Amino acid sequence: SQWGEENLQALSIQEGEDVTMNCSYKTYTTVVHWYRQDSGRGPALIILIRSNEREKRSGRLRATLDTSSQSSSLSITAAQCEDTAVYFCATDRTGGADRLTFGKGTQLIIQP
Amino acid sequence: GALVYQYPRRTICKSGTSMRMECQAVGFQATSVAWYRQSPQKTFELIALSTVNSAIKYEQNFTQEKFPISHPNLSFSSMTVLNAYLEDRGLYLCGAREGGADTQYFGPGTRLLVL
Repeated sequence: SQWGEENLQALSIQEGEDVTMNCSYKTYTTVVHWYRQDSGRGPALIILIRSNEREKRSGRLRATLDTSSQSSSLSITAAQCEDTAVYFCATDRTGGADRLTFGKGTQLIIQP
Repeated sequence: GALVYQYPRRTICKSGTSMRMECQAVGFQATSVAWYRQSPQKTFELIALSTVNSAIKYEQNFTQEKFPISHPNLSFSSMTVLNAYLEDRGLYLCGAREGGADTQYFGPGTRLLVL
């Protein structure tokens, strides 16, 4: 879970495995954004899920959202080395994606 | 496609001096620009938000006196870190949003090192 953690979490898995990263948020949001950040670069949006969606898929990515528990997850199927990055969930308390609140992040390392 | 450029990519300044960084949105009309600072531990802090036809709004712990922002238009924004000290180090990110879009496009950031 990204919120409430003092430090960046780290996950290391083997190539080909599946992985799920969790995120819990504290304030109301209409959209949960999932970003990945590669070393030396800014965050890039990979998938977003709206409050009226429970699940969203994009290629090997799957996001879920449970508004009752204020939690979201990001799953990657058959992870590849290029999936190595830091993954952040972000919410927007104003609903307009102008001011994002980011979680602490999960450092995902895919071992060959 | 939508791109956000930031420059410089990296800068080193002496403690107590100031440095200016720039952000440019290309390929779309930005209606809001947010400046964030990412700490060495990877946590994000929102510094300020500029939206079209509104004054710049600074978040708690950040002031215009310390982080003045200038934007002739929202496709171009610059921010200065005045009197930088060690606690100001980090990656300064610019996020621009196109009206009606659900997300922000981020630049690569300006990494500030303070000696």
